[in-house]
Amino acid sequence: QSALTQPPSASGSPGQSVTISCTGTSSDVGGYNYVSWYQQHPGKAPKLIIYEVNERPSGVPDRFSGSKSGNTASLTVSGLQAEDEGDYYCSSYAGNKEVFGGGTKLTVL
Amino acid sequence: QVQLVESGGGVVQPGKSLRLSCGASGFSFYSNDIHWVRQAPGKGLEWLATVSYDGTNGEYADSVKGRFTMSRDNSKNTLYLQMNSLRVEDTAVYYCAKDLPIGGGYNFQYWGQGTLVTVSS
Repeated sequence: QSALTQPPSASGSPGQSVTISCTGTSSDVGGYNYVSWYQQHPGKAPKLIIYEVNERPSGVPDRFSGSKSGNTASLTVSGLQAEDEGDYYCSSYAGNKEVFGGGTKLTVL
Repeated sequence: QVQLVESGGGVVQPGKSLRLSCGASGFSFYSNDIHWVRQAPGKGLEWLATVSYDGTNGEYADSVKGRFTMSRDNSKNTLYLQMNSLRVEDTAVYYCAKDLPIGGGYNFQYWGQGTLVTVSS
């Protein structure tokens, strides 16, 4: 069982927006503003797309945004593009350890 | 540019040991904490361990605590993961990862290509 809970799948048509949730506890998501999101394509290493809840590393399009409320964090992908299809994982710092979500498969219809 | 290259994976029997290596280049290895993350086939990501920049502190996931040990040789820009008492459920691709140079918590911006460990009799 994964420490953080994500929906197993999400989908949207090109140009639409989709939001993926990530629910933890007060010991991880709710206790720190250190939530990250990763995108992973088949056979590739994960790519960091959001850190510290809503910050984007250099080079990540602003179509990707993050937020948090209480013990639940969210990733929103706006203006969906075909290349956004893949697996998305949230993670949270939990005091000298990191916990991941089980992952969400995003399908662009 | 930052590069991380894992090696040492392979097929090993349950109960045996294996040592993975992670070679680093393109950044000041000696001043960075480094992490191990694994991914079982078709499954999600799992943080395993973090070693401090000088190797004096290590944190481990409960699933590997007491069986896996991280170490590093800063003179060789290399990180090691000694895995003992391996179990079938340790079968996974093992990645080493480095944080963003800014920000708090753990932010795995740089990843190696991964090395596959298969534990099977």
